[in-house]
Amino acid sequence: QVQLQESGPGLVKPSQTLSLTCTVSGGSISSGSYYWTWIRQPAGKGLEWIGRIYTSGSTNYNPSLKSRVTISADTSKNQFSVKLNSVTAADTAVYYCARSYNWNSPFDYWGQGTLVTVSS
Amino acid sequence: DIQMTQSPSSLSASVGDRVTITCRASQSINNYLNWYQQKPGKAPKFLIYAASSLQSGVPSRFSGSGSGTDFTLTISSLQPEDFATYYCQQSYSMPFTFGQGTKLEIK
Repeated sequence: QVQLQESGPGLVKPSQTLSLTCTVSGGSISSGSYYWTWIRQPAGKGLEWIGRIYTSGSTNYNPSLKSRVTISADTSKNQFSVKLNSVTAADTAVYYCARSYNWNSPFDYWGQGTLVTVSS
Repeated sequence: DIQMTQSPSSLSASVGDRVTITCRASQSINNYLNWYQQKPGKAPKFLIYAASSLQSGVPSRFSGSGSGTDFTLTISSLQPEDFATYYCQQSYSMPFTFGQGTKLEIK
């Protein structure tokens, strides 16, 4: 059973960089044909796809965030991460990591989510 | 980006009712349409993929249909645990996008 767990600071100052890590257990992020994804949800609002990293290390990003976001993986720790720079209050949200099993499959496994607040 | 529009935004129903939620895409997405259920404070739970295929373990009272731009999620007989917010999501093209959600409340 694959499990995902987000971790990182819950408070980030405006203009700084948000950094979160997703630790995967029950499967290797470097095997198979999986896409490891970040999704966020502002309080009381809908879901926004941030981007993903493939097992090969290739990445795809939402154009709305592309200039500010980087997703990377550390296969030795079975983790993948997201960095979002120049954050504002609009980036305050619950951030989820998730998995999809091929290019256009649904997100079948999710982390529990972690709230990140952007505030001084 | 492909816009996903759900209706209604909220819905009140009773246990045992049959309910239908609709999702419309701004362009054809073939059948690359997925449904999720989200309860307060929890991550979304994957219910249906490819418009009409039920994820393993999801009760058979849930069903999905549609193709192209118009899709529906139907719950045949509402159970207490079904009261939640439901989201559709297109996986046809990036950026993958979600509907705004339909909140299903107890009448």
